[in-house]
Amino acid sequence: DVKVTQSSRYLVKRTGEKVFLECVQDMDHENMFWYRQDPGLGLRLIYFSYDVKMKEKGDIPEGYSVSREKKERFSLILESASTNQTSMYLCASSLEGQLNEKLFFGSGTQLSVL
Amino acid sequence: LAKTTQPISMDSYEGQEVNITCSHNNIATNDYITWYQQFPSQGPRFIIQGYKTKVTNEVASLFIPADRKSSTLSLPRVSLSDTAVYYCLVGNNAGNMLTFGGGTRLMVKP
Repeated sequence: DVKVTQSSRYLVKRTGEKVFLECVQDMDHENMFWYRQDPGLGLRLIYFSYDVKMKEKGDIPEGYSVSREKKERFSLILESASTNQTSMYLCASSLEGQLNEKLFFGSGTQLSVL
Repeated sequence: LAKTTQPISMDSYEGQEVNITCSHNNIATNDYITWYQQFPSQGPRFIIQGYKTKVTNEVASLFIPADRKSSTLSLPRVSLSDTAVYYCLVGNNAGNMLTFGGGTRLMVKP
């Protein structure tokens, strides 16, 4: 089975801190995604990547950046955390090459910004 | 982007069949329809996917009419463990964003 691992289950940070959320997948997937999930808003796509060193903006990229230096690892960066970035963050991966590849999700990181 | 509309919540009882409908009026030719299930404190997991007509697996069935502007996830004989949020996702991996709708919160009662 594909495993998508997010480095932290819970994080508490202070306003203005730089925050790194790490995600690693073990199935050699080309595509990786970062979503945030908020009550009543479902999952919203922040950034995605189709290859090493490539990134594309999703629906809500403001306040975030990403890094993909290795194929298996996709990092989400909050340059200066704010309270409105308190949320559940979900990482996902999928294979490239087929139009209907399914997403595999990690268990999520619940980030609280105080 | 094909946006989706689902009911916010549904209630059912154990042993009943549950049908959740998703509307996606501007679905594109290359888009597939995929359903995910999410339990509390977990990431969503794949249930079923289809392009047209009917698809069935060991967990659910997916019905897609000819115009593909909607789809219905059918869960046969639900149990308490089927209580979850169900997301309908329309899109593909070909350089397009995969956008989730708000999901349907299914509550199965004893």
